[in-house]
Amino acid sequence: EAGVVQSPRYKIIEKKQPVAFWCNPISGHNTLYWYRQNLGQGPELLIRYENEEAVDDSQLPKDRFSAERLKGVDSTLKIQPAELGDSAVYLCASSGQGGETQYFGPGTRLLVL
Amino acid sequence: SQQGEEDPQALSIQEGENATMNCSYKTSINNLQWYRQNSGRGLVHLILIRSNEREKHSGRLRVTLDTSKKSSSLLITASRAADTASYFCATPPNTGNQFYFGTGTSLTVIP
Repeated sequence: EAGVVQSPRYKIIEKKQPVAFWCNPISGHNTLYWYRQNLGQGPELLIRYENEEAVDDSQLPKDRFSAERLKGVDSTLKIQPAELGDSAVYLCASSGQGGETQYFGPGTRLLVL
Repeated sequence: SQQGEEDPQALSIQEGENATMNCSYKTSINNLQWYRQNSGRGLVHLILIRSNEREKHSGRLRVTLDTSKKSSSLLITASRAADTASYFCATPPNTGNQFYFGTGTSLTVIP
């Protein structure tokens, strides 16, 4: 069974540029999460989807971040425009029925110059 | 802000020794989980303990939970170099609790 797939693995951009991250969860997992992890810290939840509905986006900086999961399968997280402080690892995770255990992708490491 | 804190922040031990890391939190929980993260990789679920459990074992892992003190500990026995990673305590985001992930303990096992 394939795990959670994320792309790209690494991204370097200049500030004020847009960037997008893509995630394909484990087949059959209805719940999808996007986290941001700063160096030396634990992941912080940005948004949680149940199928195509964003049920918790309270921590998503909505002025510059947006996310979508149009068909309830894969998802895209976008930052526009990027700021220096957005440099971090962006992790995607998914969970199945019950949702207790999250399965994480390898993450996208973003560097904003 | 993260409402789960782990102690110590960093731990270095010799191979074969036991490693203990602690997690303190502020919210009510239904269950608590521990995850491992190898450098540059995603997190991997290790073990889950429910609020009505006090201790749980899985291979070389032993987890304890004290809900009255809002604390948990993870013990790794007979450590191996491959155990070198960061370890995080966590609660599931879909339960309505705000805890989610702790600050992490960075474990180094020296061969």
